[in-house]
Amino acid sequence: DTEVTQTPKHLVMGMTNKKSLKCEQHMGHRAMYWYKQKAKKPPELMFVYSYEKLSINESVPSRFSPECPNSSLLNLHLHALQPEDSALYLCASSQAPGEGWYEQYFGPGTRLTVT
Amino acid sequence: SQQGEEDPQALSIQEGENATMNCSYKTSINNLQWYRQNSGRGLVHLILIRSNEREKHSGRLRVTLDTSKKSSSLLITASRAADTASYFCATGNTPLVFGKGTRLSVIA
Repeated sequence: DTEVTQTPKHLVMGMTNKKSLKCEQHMGHRAMYWYKQKAKKPPELMFVYSYEKLSINESVPSRFSPECPNSSLLNLHLHALQPEDSALYLCASSQAPGEGWYEQYFGPGTRLTVT
Repeated sequence: SQQGEEDPQALSIQEGENATMNCSYKTSINNLQWYRQNSGRGLVHLILIRSNEREKHSGRLRVTLDTSKKSSSLLITASRAADTASYFCATGNTPLVFGKGTRLSVIA
């Protein structure tokens, strides 16, 4: 199974709401990632988890809170977002980095709209 | 920081023609990867080429790597309308950082 699943596919939330994005993989990968992508721009790395521990936080605002409950699951908790946070949020997984970083498998993304 | 920079930014060709996209990067690498993204969807990994490799093939894809020039190219032969997508390169010596991508349009 080489699939990364993400739920929900679409999410509309107000600036005072709290919501969560979910990501799951069953490839035995020990590295998982969150990316943010605006229209016609490349994905921007937000967080990297390696062996269920947060290893990289690309200076992401605290209104985004990642969580890795186990090796197959990755969550992104959202609170007090701004309209400019509207974007496609992509989850990915890969083998844990060794001498280099391995190919990543991406989910289809969650299209987030903040009103 | 941006590692890969694709060129051209946009490319429009007829079905059956070949499409060539280039990628330049700034630092030494362990590997370089190419990804495809259909509009509004997740990225799909296409091919990984290691720093000690010069050329790699996968179906209609051919990737070359010139570490002395810090550049790579992706060739798609006999293009199809289904190849219409954005193509990104990313270097694999850091967590993947994607360039702006090349938007390829294949016209039937």
